[in-house]
Amino acid sequence: DQQVKQNSPSLSVQEGRISILNCDYTNSMFDYFLWYKKYPAEGPTFLISISSIKDKNEDGRFTVFLNKSAKHLSLHIVPSQPGDSAVYFCAAVRRLNYGGSQGNLIFGKGTKLSVKP
Amino acid sequence: DTAVSQTPKYLVTQMGNDKSIKCEQNLGHDTMYWYKQDSKKFLKIMFSYNNKELIINETVPNRFSPKSPDKAHLNLHINSLELGDSAVYFCASSSRVEKLFFGSGTQLSVL
Repeated sequence: DQQVKQNSPSLSVQEGRISILNCDYTNSMFDYFLWYKKYPAEGPTFLISISSIKDKNEDGRFTVFLNKSAKHLSLHIVPSQPGDSAVYFCAAVRRLNYGGSQGNLIFGKGTKLSVKP
Repeated sequence: DTAVSQTPKYLVTQMGNDKSIKCEQNLGHDTMYWYKQDSKKFLKIMFSYNNKELIINETVPNRFSPKSPDKAHLNLHINSLELGDSAVYFCASSSRVEKLFFGSGTQLSVL
């Protein structure tokens, strides 16, 4: 029972163009949605997040869009750079306590992005 | 000066053995986790500890026993290793659940 789905296992983009990574979810109780980036032989690193009460969050070249009615979010990378080549995990969380320190982060399977020079 | 460090990085062992993976964080976080990434690449939570107290215990065989001697350490002990335990195990810590800091992973291979 996958609550977070990334249906594209891989994506190839030319340097300088836009990369769009997609993610769908099933649980309407999620509080936050996140994107993590992972290089080979390293742990995932936090990239960007969005609260369920917002529809857009931007951080430099990275923008995350949330469409709650469609239960869909996407990560846009503009412009894409070869160093962005990595596996991108979409994740979602429902907090278990008011302070936000506890909860279960649920990950998708990841999309491998290749940015070609 | 690694924030979340786990050892060993690689672990190759025979079926039936008992092994441990150690994890330490120097970020001052109260919450630590163990995640498992299986052959299908899913990252799934196994355990979560907050201030040395078990918070989340997903459906994990009781051959897996986490131990938290203090809030900076969360070790994972695995008894009677099976072929299906082969995976990459990630330790993580956080002060807020939406932003986890992961270690670099331990690749466990059970032969």
